Formats: sequence, structure tokens, C-alpha cells
Amino acid sequence: GAVVSQHPSWVICKSGTSVKIECRSLDFQATTMFWYRQFPKQSLMLMATSNEGSKATYEQGVEKDKFLINHASLTLSTLTVTSAHPEDSSFYICSARVYGGYEQYFGPGTRLTVT
Amino acid sequence: KNQVEQSPQSLIILEGKNCTLQCNYTVSPFSNLRWYKQDTGRGPVSLTIMTFSENTKSNGRYTATLDADTKQSSLHITASQLSDSASYICVVSAGGGGADGLTFGKGTHLIIQP
Repeated sequence: GAVVSQHPSWVICKSGTSVKIECRSLDFQATTMFWYRQFPKQSLMLMATSNEGSKATYEQGVEKDKFLINHASLTLSTLTVTSAHPEDSSFYICSARVYGGYEQYFGPGTRLTVT
Repeated sequence: KNQVEQSPQSLIILEGKNCTLQCNYTVSPFSNLRWYKQDTGRGPVSLTIMTFSENTKSNGRYTATLDADTKQSSLHITASQLSDSASYICVVSAGGGGADGLTFGKGTHLIIQP
């Protein structure tokens, strides 16, 4: 149980375009989902926290207009990277938490390359 | 500032050997400490979670220890296998848990050689 999926697993896009990444909890309802980015040989860095039905909370330094997060249902959150630039190339990982729980379940990640 | 330091940064051992990874933290208030395994290009997978009152916890060939007094944890891998090659991340949760209280270490990159 407690499986989190991400789609796509990897994506290549041109600079200036937008990319949407989906995060789904497959066998549980996730009231809270988190988005991280990870650069090579670095630890995960929290970008934002999203609660179902409400606006996401962004970490300091993360542009909310650039990284649009939508958590429209208890099993789906999306991250849209708008007007992507090469410096946005990274590994994006989501995680999900059950209401009242503290364990986080991580997705497999999405590799974004912006050319 | 909450910090999690892991050592060594990388480690190469032969298949079948044991190894121990270290994690020191300065996180307050402490809630729990987690060890994750992250394969290259994949998301982290939980190995163990320990609360303040737990000194040791095992998950198969993985055994984690926690010394809340010295704020140190270790992850011991027994009889290593090639599939153990991965990054091992120590994560400490402050307060109520969840991502809004997590501090991540940079990980130890472990390579198992045949």
C-alpha cells in the first residue's frame, strides 16, 4: 500500500514552454502533498506544500507564479513549471501524507530537462 | 538553524561486507528520525522511522540506531548486496512531523562492488 505515482517520469521541453507534472496517491487519500526539487548530489529541497482544496504554501525563494500547484482532489496534485528555463532543469519529487499521519510517501520523481 | 550532517559523503565496499553510515543532527524540537534509500533517478523509499524513545530499529538487513542525547544516528547494513547501491538519506522531523518540519541530510552515496 501507500503508493505514489508521478507522470511523466521524464520530460524534455524547450525554453519558454510550460510543463505539467502530475502526482497521484494510488491507494490512499492524501490531504497534504509536497513538492521537492533535487539537483545532482544534493538533498531534496522543499518547494511547496499543498493541501486539498486550498492554496499551496511556498517556501521562501520559490516563485509561486512560476511553479503553479493545484491540489484539486484527495489523490491528485499537479505542478506546472511555467515559461521554463534551462536553470529549471532538475529532478522533481512529490510526496503525499495521509490526514492525521506523519509518514510521507514519495513518488518516483520526474526528470525535467529544459533545452 | 536545523541541520543534518551525514558521513561519509560516499562509500565503496565489496559485496557481502557490512557498513555503517552516520547522521548527526541539530534539530529542535525533535520528533522523529528517518532513513531513506534513494536509487539513482528514483524517489526516496523509507527504511526506518524512529521516535525519541526508540534506540534501535531493524528492517531486514538494515538496522538503525538513535542516540537522542548525543543527537546521532547510524544505519548499519549487513551482508551488503549489489542492490544496496544507492544514496541513503537521513531526515529529521521537528515538531509535528510532515514536510513542514523535515530537515534533509545530503545523503551518503553507497556503491557496492562485486
